[in-house]
Amino acid sequence: EIVLTQSPGTLSLSPGERAALSCRASQIVSSSYFAWFQQKPGQAPRLVLYGASTRAAGIPDRFSGSGSGTDFTLNISSLEPEDFAVYYCQQYAVSPWTFGQGTKVEIK
Amino acid sequence: QMQLQESGPGLVKPSETLALTCSVSGASINNSSSYWAWIRQSPGKGLEWIGSVYYLGSTFSKPSLKNRITMSLDTSENRFSLKLSSVTAADTAIYYCARRLSLPFLRHFDHWGQGILVTVTS
Repeated sequence: EIVLTQSPGTLSLSPGERAALSCRASQIVSSSYFAWFQQKPGQAPRLVLYGASTRAAGIPDRFSGSGSGTDFTLNISSLEPEDFAVYYCQQYAVSPWTFGQGTKVEIK
Repeated sequence: QMQLQESGPGLVKPSETLALTCSVSGASINNSSSYWAWIRQSPGKGLEWIGSVYYLGSTFSKPSLKNRITMSLDTSENRFSLKLSSVTAADTAIYYCARRLSLPFLRHFDHWGQGILVTVTS
């Protein structure tokens, strides 16, 4: 199965700063089938991006994604208080669909 | 607005069968544009896709769990179900149901239930 490795494990930033989260796949993944999720404590994961760069409904444009092949990035241009959460990458190109272990974005 | 809601026992004894149901509102499960999925989350394994069932009843599951999983649809009640047999402590997790789209280039998991914690304990 495809293993997704996210880095860093924790990102300590202040509101207004830019966040860059990385996800590396153990083999090439079609960017058409790559997603990012946001999860807050006690809540289900919430879709942020799909197709590597398309924002899901209701996601503000400070969230953007890029990447291809084995390397993908989620960028948050200017962190708002509600953006502090854990972010997971996911591939749904090759079964079994797999998730990364998560990057926690915490308030510095 | 589609909503999914998991239900079932929160405690299961080792070696028994975990049984969960996901009730769907705001959309019919009897449509060709959706797969209905189960995903779990545990501290040790993170987020793990368990399996999916299509509206025709065909099922797809993670190979390591395939022998223990049964999934089904109840179109009359607009819900789908998961059974996981021979559970151990390693099956303790929050179980989520979710909808995965089945459209050209749109195959992502866009709607999730709130999750239900299932603990395997004697």
